Amino acid sequence: GAGVSQSPSNKVTEKGKDVELRCDPISGHTALYWYRQSLGQGLEFLIYFQGNSAPDKSGLPSDRFSAERTGGSVSTLTIQRTQQEDSAVYLCASAFRQGGSRAFFGQGTRLTVV
Amino acid sequence: TQLLEQSPQFLSIQEGENLTVYCNSSSVFSSLQWYRQEPGEGPVLLVTVVTGGEVKKLKRLTFQFGDARKDSSLHITAAQPGDTGLYLCAGEGTSGSRLTFGEGTQLTVNP
Repeated sequence: GAGVSQSPSNKVTEKGKDVELRCDPISGHTALYWYRQSLGQGLEFLIYFQGNSAPDKSGLPSDRFSAERTGGSVSTLTIQRTQQEDSAVYLCASAFRQGGSRAFFGQGTRLTVV
Repeated sequence: TQLLEQSPQFLSIQEGENLTVYCNSSSVFSSLQWYRQEPGEGPVLLVTVVTGGEVKKLKRLTFQFGDARKDSSLHITAAQPGDTGLYLCAGEGTSGSRLTFGEGTQLTVNP
């Protein structure tokens, strides 16, 4: 596709349920990021994939959060046993792995845990 | 871990005023990017600065990269309501590691 695609755009889930958020990056982009953004706040880094290297998971807030990137393309962010504090917009971005590489963002998935 | 601090965090001004947003770090970055985010959208790149001391202009926006490549500023002249949004700076480390984003500056320009 022409840009980064995220699905679903909105997700309402009950507390304690698991959710999966999907990100389709721009074809050929080797870097992929997941960020979380609460209303009116900045970006909170979650995880970074770069090519075949081990992902940088240093931003994941707890072991309930995990992410995979299959075949160097599509990525899935999984949140297990969701809590109300997980409610936020989850943004995915992809970039070429070069100096000064621009990150292209999807429109995000708005997650609401009730 | 490289950190970027943005200031101010919130800024509310009247149309026609000038403003400056700062992005500071104790780390050196190989490049620094500025993004703007509107409600309901993902951030969009405005500019990338690479060379220490570099100045780039984008219409009424002027971006500067510090000589030591540790800090940057965004100056907006004669702000307009359409400039309202969240401005984010992001640095790429010299090791080519991931982008590090600042917390953002929420700008509101009142008509």
